[in-house]
Amino acid sequence: QKEVEQDPGPLSVPEGAIVSLNCTYSNSAFQYFMWYRQYSRKGPELLMYTYSSGNKEDGRFTAQVDKSSKYISLFIRDSQPSDSATYLCAMTSGGYQKVTFGTGTKLQVIP
Amino acid sequence: ETGVTQSPTHLIKTRGQQVTLRCSSQSGHNTVSWYQQALGQGPQFIFQYYREEENGRGNFPPRFSGLQFPNYSSELNVNALELDDSALYLCASSFRDRGPEQYFGPGTRLTVT
Repeated sequence: QKEVEQDPGPLSVPEGAIVSLNCTYSNSAFQYFMWYRQYSRKGPELLMYTYSSGNKEDGRFTAQVDKSSKYISLFIRDSQPSDSATYLCAMTSGGYQKVTFGTGTKLQVIP
Repeated sequence: ETGVTQSPTHLIKTRGQQVTLRCSSQSGHNTVSWYQQALGQGPQFIFQYYREEENGRGNFPPRFSGLQFPNYSSELNVNALELDDSALYLCASSFRDRGPEQYFGPGTRLTVT
């Protein structure tokens, strides 16, 4: 079993839709939960991170962490074609420890 | 503030050869991590360097080695290349003790034939 599981998609939604991206994990030591966006042929770009459980909002993006269920989510409101990319969840037990990534979910927002 | 840069952009090597990939960290960052990303997969942690010493390693054999220089630039060396080493190699810089944020370069795409 992988430490981090993520549905690879692809996920196709119409412009303006609310998108929900999810990951599950098995390692209880994970404390930091991150979401990266990766455009084709580019390096990943950090969107946001959350420490421990709870919610965090940044513009159209909301990250949720439920440590009791070992489940994290990223919601994108009012999705735009420019949001079309692969979204990677990532986790680590400490600020300078090894980061473990999910496989990524490919999102396409159709105009 | 300059971002993370990597060179070369693309590289084609033959099985059994050796390769060196280079990374220049973001200004002010003292930690560099290297990742391997196979097609359709998430990045896999290779190792991390802090103060010119290896500070954690993933499940990669010793033929993957690295260096960090006093100016925080870094190299990834891979010996005895295998076909499965074909991947995007990503470098990420960060500032230790300032949270988990890592800033990635654009990557080097390595093809082993």
